[in-house]
Amino acid sequence: GAVVSQHPSRVICKSGTSVKIECRSLDFQATTMFWYRQFPKKSLMLMATSNEGSKATYEQGVEKDKFLINHASLTLSTLTVTSAHPEDSSFYICSASQVGTEAFFGQGTRLTVV
Amino acid sequence: AQSVTQLDSQVPVFEEAPVELRCNYSSSVSVYLFWYVQYPNQGLQLLLKYLSGSTLVKGINGFEAEFNKSQTSFHLRKPSVHISDTAEYFCAVSRASKSGYELNFGKGTSLLVTP
Repeated sequence: GAVVSQHPSRVICKSGTSVKIECRSLDFQATTMFWYRQFPKKSLMLMATSNEGSKATYEQGVEKDKFLINHASLTLSTLTVTSAHPEDSSFYICSASQVGTEAFFGQGTRLTVV
Repeated sequence: AQSVTQLDSQVPVFEEAPVELRCNYSSSVSVYLFWYVQYPNQGLQLLLKYLSGSTLVKGINGFEAEFNKSQTSFHLRKPSVHISDTAEYFCAVSRASKSGYELNFGKGTSLLVTP
């Protein structure tokens, strides 16, 4: 299957700082990318959907000013957690797809805010 | 909207025994169904998917699932499990009109395989 690379795999940051997570589709052009958040022992919660070149669509309850999503090219989407706090600590996963195909998932990023 | 219910949060099973992980979905429109596996601190890997056609779907690692429209189910099965199958398994549903786009996940089932 297609490869989606997510970076970094782990990050620790201080409370109040911002963290950027990258999601790249390595061997295909992703027209749509998704960002999920996964709490321990819980399912994946869709945070937002982004289409290349347009603003992301956020799910209800997700703060768009806190979780900034950029999908500037067909192979790259970024999620920036701004002014991170300990409650933002979580496992973040991206997925990417193109028209008519399934979504392929990145390896995930473990964010710890101290 | 589409939703998925995974009836078992944990399934313990002995090595080489058969296993079934249950998944029921709810939708008023045609759907696509997926099973994913997640190993600790990793992303999701697609095991198998049902888009159309034969209701019995075979996937990787010896897993298979059967789409049952009348019972709105998509249970995952493996005839003989290995220790390495220990992982979290997620059932997911997507609207058929949007292909594999927006996935709604179940809460997951932890499969624990012991010797």
